[in-house]
Amino acid sequence: NAGVTQTPKFQVLKTGQSMTLQCAQDMNHEYMSWYRQDPGMGLRLIHYSVGAGITDQGEVPNGYNVSRSTTEDFPLRLLSAAPSQTSVYFCASSVQHEGTGELFFGEGSRLTVL
Amino acid sequence: GENVEQHPSTLSVQEGDSAVIKCTYSDSASNYFPWYKQELGKRPQLIIDIRSNVGEKKDQRIAVTLNKTAKHFSLHITETQPEDSAVYFCALRGPRKGGKLIFGQGTELSVKP
Repeated sequence: NAGVTQTPKFQVLKTGQSMTLQCAQDMNHEYMSWYRQDPGMGLRLIHYSVGAGITDQGEVPNGYNVSRSTTEDFPLRLLSAAPSQTSVYFCASSVQHEGTGELFFGEGSRLTVL
Repeated sequence: GENVEQHPSTLSVQEGDSAVIKCTYSDSASNYFPWYKQELGKRPQLIIDIRSNVGEKKDQRIAVTLNKTAKHFSLHITETQPEDSAVYFCALRGPRKGGKLIFGQGTELSVKP
């Protein structure tokens, strides 16, 4: 199993550009999520999904879109990049099990918006 | 909704000493409390977790305690070693199946040899 795969690992954007961070998992996990990590702020939840066709907002959803057309894939779209979106982004997945279940993270994607 | 505060933000200990990190939360419906460790440049990984029907759980040198009445839970690391140096995150989840996992702000632990 590859686990959770994120691409790209590094990206530099100009303000106003759009892009998509890709996330795929091969563990048949129902739950998938996106976090951003900033110094001193911990891991903040952007969007999450409990299954194909179902998405919901997390703590900091503004400026980001997601979709879940398959169990395996959960892409994160930045509609119009802003410098405030400079961050490290992590995709993570887990099984559905009564609120428990280890969260498996991808390697992270470092995004810089100029 | 779920909210979690983590303290301290940085912690420095001598090798062999114990380290304690504490998290407090507001939603009494939270029922799952994991701890993640993130080494420099790496992804976070689960090190221990506890459910709300348990007061304490141990795994070798690490333990987690939960006080549901006071709404706080803590990570205890005994006999610290330099390889314990990392950022540690507490987290919590509500009882709904597949409920979102919310993280604390993180504690940077430095173990000095």
